[in-house]
Amino acid sequence: NAGVTQTPKFQVLKTGQSMTLQCAQDMNHEYMSWYRQDPGMGLRLIHYSVGAGITDQGEVPNGYNVSRSTTEDFPLRLLSAAPSQTSVYFCASKVNPLDVFGGFFGQGTRLTVV
Amino acid sequence: EDQVTQSPEALRLQEGESSSLNCSYTVSGLRGLFWYRQDPGKGPEFLFTLYSAGEEKEKERLKATLTKKESFLHITAPKPEDSATYLCAVKISQGGSEKLVFGKGTKLTVNP
Repeated sequence: NAGVTQTPKFQVLKTGQSMTLQCAQDMNHEYMSWYRQDPGMGLRLIHYSVGAGITDQGEVPNGYNVSRSTTEDFPLRLLSAAPSQTSVYFCASKVNPLDVFGGFFGQGTRLTVV
Repeated sequence: EDQVTQSPEALRLQEGESSSLNCSYTVSGLRGLFWYRQDPGKGPEFLFTLYSAGEEKEKERLKATLTKKESFLHITAPKPEDSATYLCAVKISQGGSEKLVFGKGTKLTVNP
């Protein structure tokens, strides 16, 4: 099993550019989520999905869009990148929100916006 | 406001020197508490889930405990490979869904 795969691992964007961070899992998990991790702060939830076709906002959703057309994939889109979006982004998945297991995280995407 | 505070921010131990990490929380609608380990450049790795006060979980040199207001991660006779950042997260019920609120983490360094 590959688990949770994130691509790319590193990315540099110019302010105003758009891009999509990819996240795929091969465990048939219903619940997927995106977090950002900034120095001196805890992981913060951006968006999450409880299944294909269903998404919802987390704590810091502004500037990000998501969609969930399949169970496997949960891409995160930055429509117009800003320096404040410089961060490390993690995708996570688990069977469902009630699962006692804390979930699998990807390796992260380190994004720099200049 | 829901808050999770971890202390200390950083901890240096000698190999074999036991200690504890603390995670205190003020949240409404607690649905569980999670501990993760995060190595540099990697994503968090799940360690434990605790649901009720008095509950304990163990894995190798690690033992997690939970009270009504805090959780402890006890590390017994640590080894250098236990060096990592340990994250605590509480699961809360919010607006019909359940979400995780993370602490900032404790960076543990174990010297040989």
